[in-house]
Amino acid sequence: DAKTTQPNSMESNEEEPVHLPCNHSTISGTDYIHWYRQLPSQGPEYVIHGLTSNVNNRMASLAIAEDRKSSTLILHRATLRDAAVYYCIRHQGGSEKLVFGKGTKLTVNP
Amino acid sequence: DAGVIQSPRHEVTEMGQEVTLRCKPISGHNSLFWYRQTMMRGLELLIYFNNNVPIDDSGMPEDRFSAKMPNASFSTLKIQPSEPRDSAVYFCASTLGRLRAVQYFGPGTRLTVT
Repeated sequence: DAKTTQPNSMESNEEEPVHLPCNHSTISGTDYIHWYRQLPSQGPEYVIHGLTSNVNNRMASLAIAEDRKSSTLILHRATLRDAAVYYCIRHQGGSEKLVFGKGTKLTVNP
Repeated sequence: DAGVIQSPRHEVTEMGQEVTLRCKPISGHNSLFWYRQTMMRGLELLIYFNNNVPIDDSGMPEDRFSAKMPNASFSTLKIQPSEPRDSAVYFCASTLGRLRAVQYFGPGTRLTVT
C-alpha cells in the first residue's frame, strides 16, 4: 500500500517552474519521502528524498509541509526532457522496500 | 561506471516456454530488486535480495516464478512455464543497502509471451 496520493497528470510549459504535489496524511515519524521519475521507455530514476527539512539538489527541490502530511516536488525550469511519470513514495526508514503508486504523468509543452 | 545491466532487452516467446531474465547489479551494491511493470498493475516489487540472500519474495506471483542470486554480481528471474499474462517489462534495481535506499534501475526487459 503506497499510502500517497498524487494527481494523475499535470501539464507545464517549457522553462516554467513545475510544482508536483503529494499527499501522505498517514505518514509516520520515521518515513522518508522519496521521489523517483520514469522517462518513457526507461527504468525509474531517483530524483530526491527528505525527512523533515526542505531539500535541494541539482535536479529538483523538495518542500515538505511542517506537519509532514504533504510535500511538493519543484522543478525550477521544466524542459522537454522532464516529461515523465513522477512517483512520490513513502519509505520506511530502515526498510529497503519501495512501494510505487501510479504517479503523476507530467507533460511539458514547448 | 556501468549502471545496472539487464539482458535480454527484449524477449518474445511462446506460451509454455521457459524464460530467463538476467541482471548484473552495480559493483559494490549489496541489495538487488526485481520489479514487474504492466499498464494495469503499475510497478510491483517481486522479490529482493540482500547479500545474495532472498529477503522478501511476497510479491512473486506464483510458483512459476523463481529468482536466484548465486553471487554478488549476478541474478536471474525465471518463469517456467510462461503464460501470456506474464507479458510485462521486468526491471532490476540495486542499492547500497538499508541506510541508503536510493535504488538504481536497469533499462528493463520487455517480455512478450504469445
